[in-house]
Amino acid sequence: EVQLVESGGGWVQPGGSLRLSCAASGFTFRSYSMNWVRQAPGKGLEWVSYISSGDSTTYYADSVKGRFTISRDNAKNSLYLQMNSLRAEDTAVYYCARDDENPGIDFDYWGQGTLVTVSS
Amino acid sequence: QSALTQPRSVSGSPGQSVTISCTGTSSDVGGYNYVSWYQQHPGKAPKLMIYDVSKRPSGVPYRFSGSKSGNTASLTISGLQAEDEADYYCCSYAGRYTFVVFGGGTKLTVL
Repeated sequence: EVQLVESGGGWVQPGGSLRLSCAASGFTFRSYSMNWVRQAPGKGLEWVSYISSGDSTTYYADSVKGRFTISRDNAKNSLYLQMNSLRAEDTAVYYCARDDENPGIDFDYWGQGTLVTVSS
Repeated sequence: QSALTQPRSVSGSPGQSVTISCTGTSSDVGGYNYVSWYQQHPGKAPKLMIYDVSKRPSGVPYRFSGSKSGNTASLTISGLQAEDEADYYCCSYAGRYTFVVFGGGTKLTVL
């Protein structure tokens, strides 16, 4: 059974940093591209970042470019999101999501999410 | 403001059909056949319902179908059931610079 379990969320002051983790199991992690998607309280979904399975090519939403860094450790079956210079508008539930094997970007499995609150 | 435009809400009675639209541009919806749809119940993670415009993942009921015309994609749910009441989001690949965009979401109410 595919499982994605996020951790690392919590409260942080504006300007602070946080590192999210996503532990994957039930599939060959190194073979899949992965993503972070967030959802602000009461709002819609927003794609945040992508990392490929092969050469770890990365992409970022303009809203987080230069502040967030996605990475992966295939030996540990884990995905990470390093978040720096956090702002109030980064407050959201952060989901890790697997990109399926089809062309295009489709999120076929999601974690349960971890809440990040940026507030003074 | 989301990159893709969806109606904020739609409704229908059990057994009826509803269609949710998703309007983008030639740089996303119109430029690629990579539109997906997600269902999200309150407090839950999203679930993939349609990918590549009209393909259904294993386990998704045949009642859910997708299509696209120009810059507008659509999700149709036929034979509405109470458990279909949820938020629905469209999503499109948007090229190497923007990469992925979501719609603002549509709340489906089953009357």
